[in-house]
Amino acid sequence: AQSVAQPEDQVNVAEGNPLTVKCTYSVSGNPYLFWYVQYPNRGLQFLLKYITGDNLVKGSYGFEAEFNKSQTSFHLKKPSALVSDSALYFCAVREDNYGQNFVFGPGTRLSVLP
Amino acid sequence: DAGITQSPRHKVTETGTPVTLRCHQTENHRYMYWYRQDPGHGLRLIHYSYGVKDTDKGEVSDGYSVSRSKTEDFLLTLESATSSQTSVYFCAIKTPSSYEQYFGPGTRLTVT
Repeated sequence: AQSVAQPEDQVNVAEGNPLTVKCTYSVSGNPYLFWYVQYPNRGLQFLLKYITGDNLVKGSYGFEAEFNKSQTSFHLKKPSALVSDSALYFCAVREDNYGQNFVFGPGTRLSVLP
Repeated sequence: DAGITQSPRHKVTETGTPVTLRCHQTENHRYMYWYRQDPGHGLRLIHYSYGVKDTDKGEVSDGYSVSRSKTEDFLLTLESATSSQTSVYFCAIKTPSSYEQYFGPGTRLTVT
């Protein structure tokens, strides 16, 4: 069975500092990995994905994520945080040949302090 | 929100009453999904559809049914609402050419 863990409920970072939001996953086969962001009272917005190829993927709003197969991780990063990055972030995984089941992590609330 | 609308956006209902939530898409994509979002659980899949009249259960399907009689509409029904179904419900679609999902704005349902 697929699963996703986001070990931190909350991440606080000062504006201008680098940020990392952690995600680890478990699948039987090859993973498709995703990050989404949710602003208050909004739906989820797609940020980036890893399907295959280069382990470092770049996405929207200056975010990037690094796929690490040996550590089964897909951490979200940004070199310089903005106050407007404050939101709820979700990691999700889908096993490449496991139908349409996307499994989401519990979410990490990011607060960027001015 | 990728041409996805959900209705109603907010609803308060009483325990035991039936409730139907609607998801409408404008692009005729094949795959549509219903999730519920609860604190500490992220999003959990209720049901999904891979075509007209083709649906399958997700992780938390008990107490929910779905129907898809037209490509553009995916309905979620709570036959007899319970307080444990108080949640925010999101619809999503996946395009044939993408791996990721795109989400609607959500419906906040409160069962009293």
